[in-house]
Amino acid sequence: AQSVAQPEDQVNVAEGNPLTVKCTYSVSGNPYLFWYVQYPNRGLQFLLKYITGDNLVKGSYGFEAEFNKSQTSFHLKKPSALVSDSALYFCAVRDRGSGTYKYIFGTGTRLKVLA
Amino acid sequence: ETGVTQSPTHLIKTRGQQVTLRCSSQSGHNTVSWYQQALGQGPQFIFQYYREEENGRGNFPPRFSGLQFPNYSSELNVNALELDDSALYLCASSLVGEFATNEKLFFGSGTQLSVL
Repeated sequence: AQSVAQPEDQVNVAEGNPLTVKCTYSVSGNPYLFWYVQYPNRGLQFLLKYITGDNLVKGSYGFEAEFNKSQTSFHLKKPSALVSDSALYFCAVRDRGSGTYKYIFGTGTRLKVLA
Repeated sequence: ETGVTQSPTHLIKTRGQQVTLRCSSQSGHNTVSWYQQALGQGPQFIFQYYREEENGRGNFPPRFSGLQFPNYSSELNVNALELDDSALYLCASSLVGEFATNEKLFFGSGTQLSVL
């Protein structure tokens, strides 16, 4: 069965410091991988995705993620955190062979950037 | 803004009732999917409609049903509401096409359903 694990419920980081939000996945074959962010009372917003190619993917708002096939991980990173980055972050996978946009989401990691 | 709107934003129902949630997709998108997000959980896939036909379903019972209309709007219907149906319901639209590199879901802000 496909699954996504976000091992940290919350990550605290000081403004200006680098941040990492972890994600590991379990899925047969080669998946598509995504990060979405959710602000209070809002739907999810797309940050970035890995489809194929370079393992380092750059996305919106200065975020990037590194795909590591051997460790089945797709950690989200940012070199310098902003207070405005504080939000709920979701990692998601989709079966590459699926004909539907059935995303499997992790349980989310709350990022708190301290001023 | 994603261009996806959902109504109502909040809804309170009692157990056993039926509810209809509505979504207006981004113009030009041919696919809509619905997700249920329980408190403290990630969204869970309910089903997907492509060109007005259901073409994928998650582990949800038949009392969850949907419709997609030619004008890019869609509905999620839930019959015989149960207490565990209390959740945020998210609609996401997308343009399914030839190139996976274009894949992206555009989510609405959701409908918060409370079942008492």
